[in-house]
Amino acid sequence: GQQLNQSPQSMFIQEGEDVSMNCTSSSIFNTWLWYKQDPGEGPVLLIALYKAGELTSNGRLTAQFGITRKDSFLNISASIPSDVGIYFCAGPRFTGTASKLTFGTGTRLQVTL
Amino acid sequence: NAGVTQTPKFRILKIGQSMTLQCTQDMNHNYMYWYRQDPGMGLKLIYYSVGAGITDKGEVPNGYNVSRSTTEDFPLRLELAAPSQTSVYFCASRPGALQETQYFGPGTRLLVL
Repeated sequence: GQQLNQSPQSMFIQEGEDVSMNCTSSSIFNTWLWYKQDPGEGPVLLIALYKAGELTSNGRLTAQFGITRKDSFLNISASIPSDVGIYFCAGPRFTGTASKLTFGTGTRLQVTL
Repeated sequence: NAGVTQTPKFRILKIGQSMTLQCTQDMNHNYMYWYRQDPGMGLKLIYYSVGAGITDKGEVPNGYNVSRSTTEDFPLRLELAAPSQTSVYFCASRPGALQETQYFGPGTRLLVL
């Protein structure tokens, strides 16, 4: 089935550093969602993107909807310890009776002091 | 609003046992989803529902059953637990067709021995 590839798979960074991660697909999406999953918790929506080229910020987080509609990027500026977690991209596909989200493979972020 | 709640948080099953994972949302969302997340992996869709009385299979439905008798509740049933069903199960809901964002519960961790 459809797969979203995220890179890097994992990152170890120091507090205060900026972080960049991306998500790529072999086919087009009309919406991109970025979720964060804290250890032992469910995913929480960070940013939603609805238009090619769109750049949206949420605090220290900035995400972009790639112009080809086949990729998206998430940047975190000045990382802090609570940024630790797994970041997933997701895109909806309509099949059957409703659209369903396809999730990326995730980027695991570790922040050291 | 409590959002999406799931019970139990953790359960150990013996092979062949059955159980029901409960999911309830108090946001009056029409759409509900069940996912499983295996260690180090993304989320895979098991079943989903677009409203009370309507359910459909996702990517990995084998070994599971669902029902949707009310808008609020979307239980997931395992009839004959197998070790391959060891996973973390997440329930999610979404307001309706025009809004792609899904809201996740905290998850149920299931171990089948």
